[in-house]
Amino acid sequence: GESVGLHLPTLSVQEGDNSIINCAYSNSASDYFIWYKQESGKGPQFIIDIRSNMDKRQGQRVTVLLNKTVKHLSLQIAATQPGDSAVYFCAENKNSGYALNFGKGTSLLVTP
Amino acid sequence: NAGVTQTPKFRVLKTGQSMTLLCAQDMNHEYMYWYRQDPGMGLRLIHYSVGEGTTAKGEVPDGYNVSRLKKQNFLLGLESAAPSQTSVYFCASSLGRQGPAYFGPGTRLTVT
Repeated sequence: GESVGLHLPTLSVQEGDNSIINCAYSNSASDYFIWYKQESGKGPQFIIDIRSNMDKRQGQRVTVLLNKTVKHLSLQIAATQPGDSAVYFCAENKNSGYALNFGKGTSLLVTP
Repeated sequence: NAGVTQTPKFRVLKTGQSMTLLCAQDMNHEYMYWYRQDPGMGLRLIHYSVGEGTTAKGEVPDGYNVSRLKKQNFLLGLESAAPSQTSVYFCASSLGRQGPAYFGPGTRLTVT
C-alpha cells in the first residue's frame, strides 16, 4: 500500500541551530499533511499542518514546506531548544480518507 | 477542558483475558480514532468513528471491537487478548475529516 516515510531515523543538532526533518510521501492523492511531536511516554502533540494548495506555512519557530512535485514534506525548527528533543512524525490524508496515515518517525536529539 | 482522556494508563493481561479501553473527549469532536504504536513503528489505525453510533475498520482491526454509543466516548475492546496485542494504544479525536487529530496520553498494555 501507499506509505508515508522519513529519510532519516535520527537527527542530532546543537542547541540554537536550526533543524530540518524530512518526509517523503507516495500517495499523489494526499492533500492534507500534518506534523506531530511525541515526547517519551506521551501522546503525539499537534505542531503544524498544511493543505496541498499551499507550499509553505509558518508557526511559532516552525515552518512546514510542501513540494508536491517530488512528494516531499519538511519541518523546520528555528533555534532548536533542548525541549524540542522528541520523535517527530509526519502524517498525511487524502480527500477521500477518514484518518491520518503516519510515517515511522524521526528522533530529534538536541545537544547543549 | 481536559481534551482527550484515556483509562486505564497501564494494564497487564494474561492471554485469553478480555478488557475494554475507554476514551473520552470534551471537544465535541465528530471523529474519533484508535491507534496502536509499536517500537520502531509509526501509529497504525485500528478502528475509527465518524459520528455517534458509527464505527469502521482501520488498517489493523483484527482482534479488536469498538463502540461509540455516545459522541464523547469511544470504547476499544479486546475479547481474547494475545501477546501480539502488547502495545501502546492511543485514542484521538478531530472535528472533521481533515484537520488536526488530538491525541490522548495513551494506554500501555502488556499481554503475557
